[in-house]
Amino acid sequence: GNSVTQMEGPVTLSEEAFLTINCTYTATGYPSLFWYVQYPGEGLQLLLKATKADDKGSNKGFEATYRKETTSFHLEKGSVQVSDSAVYFCALLLRDGSGNTGKLIFGQGTTLQVKP
Amino acid sequence: DAGVIQSPRHEVTEMGQEVTLRCKPISGHDYLFWYRQTMMRGLELLIYFNNNVPIDDSGMPEDRFSAKMPNASFSTLKIQPSEPRDSAVYFCASSFARVDAEAFFGQGTRLTVV
Repeated sequence: GNSVTQMEGPVTLSEEAFLTINCTYTATGYPSLFWYVQYPGEGLQLLLKATKADDKGSNKGFEATYRKETTSFHLEKGSVQVSDSAVYFCALLLRDGSGNTGKLIFGQGTTLQVKP
Repeated sequence: DAGVIQSPRHEVTEMGQEVTLRCKPISGHDYLFWYRQTMMRGLELLIYFNNNVPIDDSGMPEDRFSAKMPNASFSTLKIQPSEPRDSAVYFCASSFARVDAEAFFGQGTRLTVV
């Protein structure tokens, strides 16, 4: 079936450390891929996206590259800040044969804690 | 647009009672999604609608759960009867029907069934 698997958290880093959160997916067809972020007490917000193989999504210093050969979309940031502490969700948007969109499926989320 | 609006923000109810959660999507959006978030199971897709029509309700846990979208600006998720294990945060989200479409989330409804 269609699914998203993320590395388990929590991930605890010191400020200015390098961040990687792994995400792999299983999907029929050719999905679009997303990273969302959730701050305490809030809904999810889009962080970045990629719609085809080898696309790189980027925003606020975060990056992720759509790797079709490894079915992965790992999130990276070169230097994290305390304000990056949040829960990060990898997601895929399925398409049907006509290219229309449909089901939006999320991974289980990875909690990031950044300490000063 | 004010974004996706959910109500109530918090709901505490007794086991066996009926609970109705409400959602107003962003005007013009084609899709509406209902999700449930718990520590144990993460973010689960319950059901989604396209142009007010339910497309996939395979994530609805039991017959106690039902969802409707009578028009493009309103949707409800009903639990009857409610049970303690239904306690969770329920999110509504909406989006356009594009391959790069961002899903916009409401603030969520925190449901506690005692």
